[in-house]
Amino acid sequence: KAGVTQTPRYLIKTRGQQVTLSCSPISGHRSVSWYQQTPGQGLQFLFEYFSETQRNKGNFPGRFSGRQFSNSRSEMNVSTLELGDSALYLCASSLTGGSNQPQHFGDGTRLSIL
Amino acid sequence: KNQVEQSPQSLIILEGKNCTLQCNYTVSPFSNLRWYKQDTGRGPVSLTIMTFSENTKSNGRYTATLDADTKQSSLHITASQLSDSASYICVVRFTGGGNKLTFGTGTQLKVEL
Repeated sequence: KAGVTQTPRYLIKTRGQQVTLSCSPISGHRSVSWYQQTPGQGLQFLFEYFSETQRNKGNFPGRFSGRQFSNSRSEMNVSTLELGDSALYLCASSLTGGSNQPQHFGDGTRLSIL
Repeated sequence: KNQVEQSPQSLIILEGKNCTLQCNYTVSPFSNLRWYKQDTGRGPVSLTIMTFSENTKSNGRYTATLDADTKQSSLHITASQLSDSASYICVVRFTGGGNKLTFGTGTQLKVEL
């Protein structure tokens, strides 16, 4: 069974641009969560999608948005990029996002802002 | 503020030795506590998930313990191997918080010959 796939693996952008990251969950998984990982802050929750609806949201500005498609694939968009947005962006999927279900992570997209 | 603190920040041990990583949390109430292993350049991989009513959970050479009264958890690695070199992250989930997980900043473990 294929794992969680994130594309692209690496991305370089400049300040002010926007970016879209993609995540394909494990087949059959309907919950997709996004996280930002930086050396200083560690992993921080961005948002969770289930059945094409945002179910939970972390404490990030509105420049960070996402969506989920009917096949459970998800995209995350960051507009007006800032230097501080440089990070590893991780996507994780689970069957339904239930409390005790394990989350399966992809290997992330490393975003660098110049 | 709900927080998860891990210690030590980094650790170097010799191959074959045991080690214990610590996690203290102030998240309350919580539904479960997880330990993840993250290799450099890879996403985290789940090692154990414990509910608030469980005291211990094992996964091969990894054994996690949980004391909900003192809000402490530990991850014990037995007979360490070079492949255990990674970051180990403690994660706590709020009750009813959906997938709003609170992450520790991790312990960087290096296993040397």
